[in-house]
Amino acid sequence: KNQVEQSPQSLIILEGKNCTLQCNYTVSPFSNLRWYKQDTGRGPVSLTIMTFSENTKSNGRYTATLDADTKQSSLHITASQLSDSASYICVVTVNNDMRFGAGTRLTVKP
Amino acid sequence: SQTIHQWPATLVQPVGSPLSLECTVEGTSNPNLYWYRQAAGRGLQLLFYSVGIGQISSEVPQNLSASRPQDRQFILSSKKLLLSDSGFYLCAWSVLWDEQFFGPGTRLTVL
Repeated sequence: KNQVEQSPQSLIILEGKNCTLQCNYTVSPFSNLRWYKQDTGRGPVSLTIMTFSENTKSNGRYTATLDADTKQSSLHITASQLSDSASYICVVTVNNDMRFGAGTRLTVKP
Repeated sequence: SQTIHQWPATLVQPVGSPLSLECTVEGTSNPNLYWYRQAAGRGLQLLFYSVGIGQISSEVPQNLSASRPQDRQFILSSKKLLLSDSGFYLCAWSVLWDEQFFGPGTRLTVL
């Protein structure tokens, strides 16, 4: 079983709507938890990073939250834009080892 | 500023043919370098990483190999490709074990 599980696998929303992506992990403690955005056919780009002791981090319309008790993180996207269409990947770093989730494929439609 | 290059961007190869993918980094010295593979609809799988010239660590046994002939050059190779080698290959770099920065990727299709 993967140590980092993301849900949903895919999501379709209308432009301007908000959405929340989930990441559940089993590894603990960890060094940091990152959310990456990967456009189709491109390499991932980091959106947010949180250490074990942080519980929220924002980057523009992206807000990541972390609940260390339930071992859950979420990425909330506000006022979605067409350019938000991408895969969003949750990555948990344990020591120097990065554990990748399979990602959530988000499609924003006009 | 630092940049990372990968080539080719896309590649179609027959089964049994050799492979060479190249990755170079500019604007930094002695980076950690990584090769990942991403199968369709799957997460990133770490294949190799390197902490210095000539130092290669393999994460997954397979018919691929990696080399680091220069400080900022990382090469992924195979002597004979398999169908299962198809995927999206990503090179990444980091300062020590900090945040990884990914290249644009190479789409490999083995027919």
